[in-house]
Amino acid sequence: SQTIHQWPATLVQPVGSPLSLECTVEGTSNPNLYWYRQAAGRGLQLLFYSVGIGQISSEVPQNLSASRPQDRQFILSSKKLLLSDSGFYLCAWSARGNLRDEQFFGPGTRLTVL
Amino acid sequence: KQEVTQIPAALSVPEGENLVLNCSFTDSAIYNLQWFRQDPGKGLTSLLLIQSSQREQTSGRLNASLDKSSGRSTLYIAASQPGDSATYLCAVRGGSNYKLTFGKGTLLTVNP
Repeated sequence: SQTIHQWPATLVQPVGSPLSLECTVEGTSNPNLYWYRQAAGRGLQLLFYSVGIGQISSEVPQNLSASRPQDRQFILSSKKLLLSDSGFYLCAWSARGNLRDEQFFGPGTRLTVL
Repeated sequence: KQEVTQIPAALSVPEGENLVLNCSFTDSAIYNLQWFRQDPGKGLTSLLLIQSSQREQTSGRLNASLDKSSGRSTLYIAASQPGDSATYLCAVRGGSNYKLTFGKGTLLTVNP
């Protein structure tokens, strides 16, 4: 069966510090991968998605970047965090070629920028 | 631009009651619609996915319907239990891309 991992689970960082959040998927190959942010009082916002190694699409201009160094690894980064980067970050995957395109989510990372 | 609205924002019911959660979307040209459950501080759990050609999907006590022409979906929960308490999110996928557009969710509380 497929499993998706995210770490760390929680993170408190000062403004201006760098960020690296990691997501890995087990039990599937060539998945589509996604990063979402859930801010208080707002819906989930798609930040990035990737259909393959090194292929990243950005949905909104922002202070963040994403990379996919391996088939089942997706990383969210920032060089300098802003207060507005606080939120709950969720990684998700879907099977490429699956007509149902169902997305499955990880446990999330709670980021607080102080 | 697709917009997804969920009404009500919060709902409190006694245990055992049947209930309906509503989801509406502005662009009917969707590929599919997915219902999720989110427990506090946790990730999303996929409940049901309905393809644009389908009218409904069922899983246990859950039944989701889709009326694409009117831009509406409902999630019916039968015989609600306290363990059903969570936020329920509706998300639609456009016809030509990978993007899911989410509603803000309905916070359901089932009281014992």
